[in-house]
Amino acid sequence: AQKITQTQPGMFVQEKEAVTLDCTYDTSDQSYGLFWYKQPSSGEMIFLIYQGSYDEQNATEGRYSLNFQKARKSANLVISASQLGDSAMYFCAMSETSYDKVIFGPGTSLSVIP
Amino acid sequence: ETGVTQTPRHLVMGMTNKKSLKCEQHLGHNAMYWYKQSAKKPLELMFVYSLEERVENNSVPSRFSPECPNSSHLFLHLHTLQPEDSALYLCASSQEGTPTDTQYFGPGTRLTVL
Repeated sequence: AQKITQTQPGMFVQEKEAVTLDCTYDTSDQSYGLFWYKQPSSGEMIFLIYQGSYDEQNATEGRYSLNFQKARKSANLVISASQLGDSAMYFCAMSETSYDKVIFGPGTSLSVIP
Repeated sequence: ETGVTQTPRHLVMGMTNKKSLKCEQHLGHNAMYWYKQSAKKPLELMFVYSLEERVENNSVPSRFSPECPNSSHLFLHLHTLQPEDSALYLCASSQEGTPTDTQYFGPGTRLTVL
């Protein structure tokens, strides 16, 4: 069974608009962490944002925010005011304390249109 | 140099060759990782080292041999690879190697096996 699901293989957004990238996860752990990474065409994986399962507030980092809905097991990434440089693959990932590793989703390809 | 660096960035090798991938982190971290990223597949964790000791080996074929001489350097020795081993190999590091640690990635080595 998929631990991390990203249902949008590809997304388009107009420059300066906001976009939401979906991520749902499956875990029976009470303590876990959720991450979002960006991978431009150069290949490097760039850490964007982290949300702990016990964090009461949604994480924010500049133009990135994480819409964490624990009961629904979703951790959507919101990018505000999209820029052309935001065009990349975006990966949602989860770490569980019972499994000593991070699991990555299949990714969503985001294209920002001028 | 800052962050995580990987060399070479691109590598083409025959199935009978022996080559090594190098990763170096300048973040003072204690854990390092090798991941394989194949087309249209989620990131696959290959090896984890914490304080220079291997703590995770996800049943990787023996033609991949990791080496971690110190906490700043990680190698992946390759020999008698198969064409299906062609992929992007990503190195990452984290502070302690715990599941909720943020991992920071290098730019990757694009490997093509002929």
